[in-house]
Amino acid sequence: ILNVEQSPQSLHVQEGDSTNFTCSFPSSNFYALHWYRWETAKSPEALFVMTLNGDEKKKGRISATLNTKEGYSYLYIKGSQPEDSATYLCAADGSTLGRLYFGRGTQLTVWP
Amino acid sequence: DTAVSQTPKYLVTQMGNDKSIKCEQNLGHDTMYWYKQDSKKFLKIMFSYNNKELIINETVPNRFSPKSPDKAHLNLHINSLELGDSAVYFCASSQEPSGSYEQYFGPGTRLTVT
Repeated sequence: ILNVEQSPQSLHVQEGDSTNFTCSFPSSNFYALHWYRWETAKSPEALFVMTLNGDEKKKGRISATLNTKEGYSYLYIKGSQPEDSATYLCAADGSTLGRLYFGRGTQLTVWP
Repeated sequence: DTAVSQTPKYLVTQMGNDKSIKCEQNLGHDTMYWYKQDSKKFLKIMFSYNNKELIINETVPNRFSPKSPDKAHLNLHINSLELGDSAVYFCASSQEPSGSYEQYFGPGTRLTVT
């Protein structure tokens, strides 16, 4: 079992603010790190999958970085919009089988 | 077209009953998963099948039995339901059984055991 921690647990920002969250995981037995976006009453939706140390991925205003040596990943949202309000989950896979261990998520609320 | 679908969406049943949840994916993926979202909204993996073969079996009571008739379907049968089984169950699929591939989640089935 991998212990995946996310911080902060919740975050409230104003529209236009940039924000970032942290995901930490055991650096040993690491294979892949996933970020998912989970809107209320919907299913988790994949944002990024990263496997290599130093990986950086970007999708529109959202980007993520990965440091496998120290066991953390950051998710950045530039110029937050109300539609970015969701819970952001990270999950680590240490087994190569797609066995994901999820963190508890960061709940983001963006106020207009 | 829904990529990963689950039925039913809601299931209310009494303790001791046996129930099944069905999952289907039309993405052509080889691998399917069952997750349980507990009362603290924590997603935990339960099972994974790759091309109809069980490849992940986490520490789950043996009252839970997954069945994959073909690679597009993964069903979850639960015997002798208990109050603690109340949760939201999510099905997911990925192209291959590897963490390199993102997982696509179904809409979830909310199971309530009374």
